[in-house]
Amino acid sequence: DAKTTQPTSMDCAEGRAANLPCNHSTISGNEYVYWYRQIHSQGPQYIIHGLKNNETNEMASLIITEDRKSSTLILPHATLRDTAVYYCIVRHLQTGANNLFFGTGTRLTVIP
Amino acid sequence: DTGVSQNPRHKITKRGQNVTFRCDPISEHNRLYWYRQTLGQGPEFLTYFQNEAQLEKSRLLSDRFSAERPKGSFSTLEIQRTEQGDSAMYLCATHEAPLGGYTFGSGTRLTVV
Repeated sequence: DAKTTQPTSMDCAEGRAANLPCNHSTISGNEYVYWYRQIHSQGPQYIIHGLKNNETNEMASLIITEDRKSSTLILPHATLRDTAVYYCIVRHLQTGANNLFFGTGTRLTVIP
Repeated sequence: DTGVSQNPRHKITKRGQNVTFRCDPISEHNRLYWYRQTLGQGPEFLTYFQNEAQLEKSRLLSDRFSAERPKGSFSTLEIQRTEQGDSAMYLCATHEAPLGGYTFGSGTRLTVV
């Protein structure tokens, strides 16, 4: 699976949009971009995933650049509960384990 | 219950003792994973089951570690002769379809003293 690069930490004011970048310059055509987050003392939580097109769900939006070498997770109106570590993962679908390779992620702190 | 349940939540054990953790997955999910997470790091893959078959094991899974998933339902992870380096959060995750997101449990935090 391709590697990802994320900033170590970010701050965001409560109520503002949080934009979390991720670089995945070696992504291949059949690799998906997944985002998870992990709130302190809990297991990771799935947020969203995409291949080429931008995606939106009730939690967030995922913007993938046209060359697919980077993406941005957008939390439109950050709340204090969004303070967490956010992981960007590139995943190749195959008939095998489909396991996820987590890096160290971005620690997002939402400030009141 | 619609979530992944892990027990116990916390376990403190003396070095050299054996410990066993349990994971109860979402019933419709046939794929089950174990991960380990140490402080400040992201989760690391340990092993994977599809139904009752253990299909992949990480190099992290030494011979002191064993995992089972009898009848393709709940899973157990056993660590024999625990060492201080085994102290970590052990996470279980399941998912149903290849494209879907994983559902993680809250984990079992192991402290070896």
